Amino acid sequence: QKEVEQNSGPLSVPEGAIASLNCTYSDRGSQSFFWYRQYSGKSPELIMFIYSNGDKEDGRFTAQLNKASQYVSLLIRDSQPSDSATYLCAVRITDSWGKLQFGAGTQVVVTP
Amino acid sequence: DADVTQTPRNRITKTGKRIMLECSQTKGHDRMYWYRQDPGLGLRLIYYSFDVKDINKGEISDGYSVSRQAQAKFSLSLESAIPNQTALYFCATSDGGNVSPLHFGNGTRLTVT
Repeated sequence: QKEVEQNSGPLSVPEGAIASLNCTYSDRGSQSFFWYRQYSGKSPELIMFIYSNGDKEDGRFTAQLNKASQYVSLLIRDSQPSDSATYLCAVRITDSWGKLQFGAGTQVVVTP
Repeated sequence: DADVTQTPRNRITKTGKRIMLECSQTKGHDRMYWYRQDPGLGLRLIYYSFDVKDINKGEISDGYSVSRQAQAKFSLSLESAIPNQTALYFCATSDGGNVSPLHFGNGTRLTVT
């Protein structure tokens, strides 16, 4: 059983719209959660992290965490063509000694 | 200059060859990791190290070995490469805090023919 699940997509989003990405995880004791963006053939780059229930906003990005339901989501407002990428959800599970478990990623395609 | 540097960026090798991928970092982080990425499978952990004297297997360590030569250097070896080791390999570092992210190198694209 995969510990971190994401819809693979592709998620097609019109330019200027909101992209909504979801991630569920199985380890109820997980403490911190990360969203990375990865362009094709490039390395993952951190967008934001969250560790408290609720919303966290950073520019056009909002992360939402619900530990009771074991999901974390990422909203991208005013989507731009440059947001077209794969978005990776990563979870720091308990007793992981700092390791991150990654989901397989959701591909987002922003159409002009 | 990149904080986490991987060499080579691309490598094509033949089945049965020994190959080493190298990673060096200037971030001063103690923790270093090797991941591989395959389409549809995401990033999977191969090995990780918390300091020079500490090496740990990840979820897919078979067929791989590592060496932590110094705090800043962590190399990954394929003793006898096979085609299903064709993948994109990433080195990453972390300072170990609970909310500390992983910082990735630019990756090595390895093709085993």
